[in-house]
Amino acid sequence: KNEVEQSPQNLTAQEGEFITINCSYSVGISALHWLQQHPGGGIVSLFMLSSGKKKHGRLIATINIQEKHSSLHITASHPRDSAVYICAVRSGGSEKLVFGKGMKLTVNP
Amino acid sequence: AAGVIQSPRHLIKEKRETATLKCYPIPRHDTVYWYQQGPGQDPQFLISFYEKMQSDKGSIPDRFSAQQFSDYHSELNMSSLELGDSALYFCASSPRGQGNYNEQFFGPGTRLTVL
Repeated sequence: KNEVEQSPQNLTAQEGEFITINCSYSVGISALHWLQQHPGGGIVSLFMLSSGKKKHGRLIATINIQEKHSSLHITASHPRDSAVYICAVRSGGSEKLVFGKGMKLTVNP
Repeated sequence: AAGVIQSPRHLIKEKRETATLKCYPIPRHDTVYWYQQGPGQDPQFLISFYEKMQSDKGSIPDRFSAQQFSDYHSELNMSSLELGDSALYFCASSPRGQGNYNEQFFGPGTRLTVL
């Protein structure tokens, strides 16, 4: 079982829809990252969370430490949101990030 | 704002050759991380450096070595390249100077193709 599980693995939505991407993890963590990777490879850090909720523009990220679960919400989705969204966690005293498999989002106009 | 710079962006090598990937962190970032992302795979942590010292080590093959220099840039040296080394290699940096963990900022990656 992977330490970080994401669901769904793929999602196709229509422009304007509200989208939720889920991430569950099985280890104690000190931080959770939501990352965005576009075709061609570059990774952009969207959020780093250790508790509660963060909002940036149309993106909202929440984390429930007790349930070991985080969600990334996209409001009023747009075709430019099409990308792979990756959840990654830092556990314990380690420096490294452990990545989920990512969720491929396609937003159609 | 300045971002993490990686060079080269693309590299094509033959089997058994060597390759050197470079990473220039965001100014005033003292910690560098290297990740490898194979085709269709999630990124895997290779190694990290803080203040020029190795701070953590992941699944880095013995054929690979890395170091961080006095200007905080880092180089990943890969020898005896194998076909399976073909991947996207990401570098990330963070300002860990206060001893706390801070957000990692990723570079654009170097795409290595081994023929």
